[in-house]
Parts: sequence; structure tokens; C-alpha cells
Amino acid sequence: QEKVQQSPESLIVPEGAMSSLNCTFSNSASQSIWWYQQHPGKGPEALISIFSNGNKKEGRLTVYLNRASLHVSLHIRDSQPSDSAVYLCAGDTNAYKVIFGKGTHLHVLP
Amino acid sequence: ETAVFQTPNYHVTQVGNEVSFNCKQTLGHDTMYWYKQDSKKLLKIMFSYNNKQLIVNETVPRRFSPQSSDKAHLNLRIKSVEPEDSAVYLCASSQQGSNNQAPLFGEGTRLSVL
Repeated sequence: QEKVQQSPESLIVPEGAMSSLNCTFSNSASQSIWWYQQHPGKGPEALISIFSNGNKKEGRLTVYLNRASLHVSLHIRDSQPSDSAVYLCAGDTNAYKVIFGKGTHLHVLP
Repeated sequence: ETAVFQTPNYHVTQVGNEVSFNCKQTLGHDTMYWYKQDSKKLLKIMFSYNNKQLIVNETVPRRFSPQSSDKAHLNLRIKSVEPEDSAVYLCASSQQGSNNQAPLFGEGTRLSVL
């Protein structure tokens, strides 16, 4: 059964810094990979997706995928206090099943 | 407004009671999901439905039963709640065949079992 490991569990950065979050899958079954952001009391909201090896940039977000090492990372440039949230990595093991990691708690200090 | 709507937002009940949660999506999606999120934020898939048909049924106690009247609605019933059922239950939907479309989540129903 595929699993998703996220690191670190918690990350504290000053405002304006780069935040780097990591995710590793246990096997290569996932075709699509997403990063979600979840604020307290809210449902997860999809931020960015990646499908192919390489990187993808959207605004302040950059995601890197290396299928050989089963590793994906999310980098948030110029982190803001409003970016403070839980970030969840997810992948689809089949068309009807999306699994999630335990999340990284990001705290951006003003 | 198109989105995933869940009711109720919160529910407090006692051990042994029956509870029901509702979920509706107005996005025209054909696939809906129920997830359980524990206090440590781990999201575990419970069920997924495609066009009213049960597709994924994870290792979930038999007291949990999903109910789908049409592809826009997916409810969840818990027959006799246990303390370990306290969690946030999140409903999501997506459209199969849409490249890289992430499941869209509702705000969740927070269940507290006393």
C-alpha cells in the first residue's frame, strides 16, 4: 500500500524567507501529485500540481518532482505570515483514491 | 457559487448514538469522497463513489455507511458512534478524466463523541 512521508513536521521561517517542504512516496504508483494548504477550521485547498519530472512554477510557488527518487518538494519564495498553515502532499494511487501525507506545519514569523 | 457543501459544521453526541453527515457538490463532478482527518491532521480516505457507484471502500468499521442518491450527493452515516470516531470528516469531489484535477474539499464536519 502506497504511503506518503512529509518532512519536516514543523517549519518556522521569518517573513521574506524561502520555505522548503519535502514529500516522498513509497512507490511510483501516483501519476498526479498535488500540494494542498489547510488553514485551521477549513478544508484543504489545492495549491499546485505536478505530473511530469522536473519543476513547475506558479507565482511564489515552485514544485520539483523526481520520479526516480520518488521525491517531490514545494518551495515558497518570500514567505508571508498569511502562508502560515498546514501543507499536505497528495498523490493518486488510482483514479479514485488520493492519499495524503501527515502534513508540514508552516509558521511564518512577521 | 459552485463548491462542496457539508452539513452540519459541528456535531456533539454521546457514545452509541447514530449520526448522519451530508455532502453536496454543485460542480457537476462525477466522483465524490469521504475522508477522516484526525487531531494530527492525517487525512485517511474512507470511501469514494463514481456516478453513485461505490469504488473505494477502505478498512472502515462496519458502523460507517455511505449513501449516494445521485452523483451530486454523498452522505455518511455512523450507526453507533465510538470515542475514536471523534474527528473531522471531509467530503471532496473531482471529475475523472480531467487531467491533473485535484479533489476539491468542503469545510468539513467536526464530530465530538463524549
